[in-house]
Amino acid sequence: DVVMTQSPLSLPVTPGEPASISCRSSQSLLRSNGHHSLDWYLQKPGQSPQLLIYLGSNRASGVPDRFSGSGSGTDFTLKISRVEAEDVGVYYCMQSLQVPWTFGQGTKVEV
Amino acid sequence: EVQLVESGGGLVQPGGSLRLSCAASGFTFSSYWMSWVRQAPGKGLEWVANIRQDGSQRYYMDSVKGRFTISRDNAKSSLYLEMNNVRADDTSVYFCARLQWSGELSGFDFWGQGTLVTVSS
Repeated sequence: DVVMTQSPLSLPVTPGEPASISCRSSQSLLRSNGHHSLDWYLQKPGQSPQLLIYLGSNRASGVPDRFSGSGSGTDFTLKISRVEAEDVGVYYCMQSLQVPWTFGQGTKVEV
Repeated sequence: EVQLVESGGGLVQPGGSLRLSCAASGFTFSSYWMSWVRQAPGKGLEWVANIRQDGSQRYYMDSVKGRFTISRDNAKSSLYLEMNNVRADDTSVYFCARLQWSGELSGFDFWGQGTLVTVSS
């Protein structure tokens, strides 16, 4: 199975400041078409997860442009340019290159 | 408006069976891959199973193979998860999720609110 490792697992943030989360996979997530099978999700307290970034760097519909995804191969990063109070919750990366699809452990972002 | 509404969760004894349902609305259900994702209490997300639009392809996580069956009824815009021989470690909130297609499968773009399954004697 592809193991997804996130860091840090807990991230205290200050509104208005940037923040970043790392996600590493145990094998490359690069597809033959040049896309990476890596998505980012945010689960706000008491809510279902929501898609933030798909295929490594594409913002999902309705996601503010302060969120960005980057990376290649096995190393990926989610960045928030200026954290807002509503961004608190647990962030997960997930690979969909290989069954079973696997999530990272989650990074809890707190203000 | 896209909506996914799960039902069928509850308390079940170890070794028992349960059928989860997900009623979809607001989109052409038959055009999308669908999935089940679960989350044990206080834990992270875990992918469970996927099913292709016509049901011709199904994929499962190893620990549920042979015990769980994902299926769909496109005429009823509904997704199902038949759970047999359940174990304590199947205790989770089960989410129904739609898979986005942008030339390839690209993330769960809509999620239901989840239904809690508790396996206990």
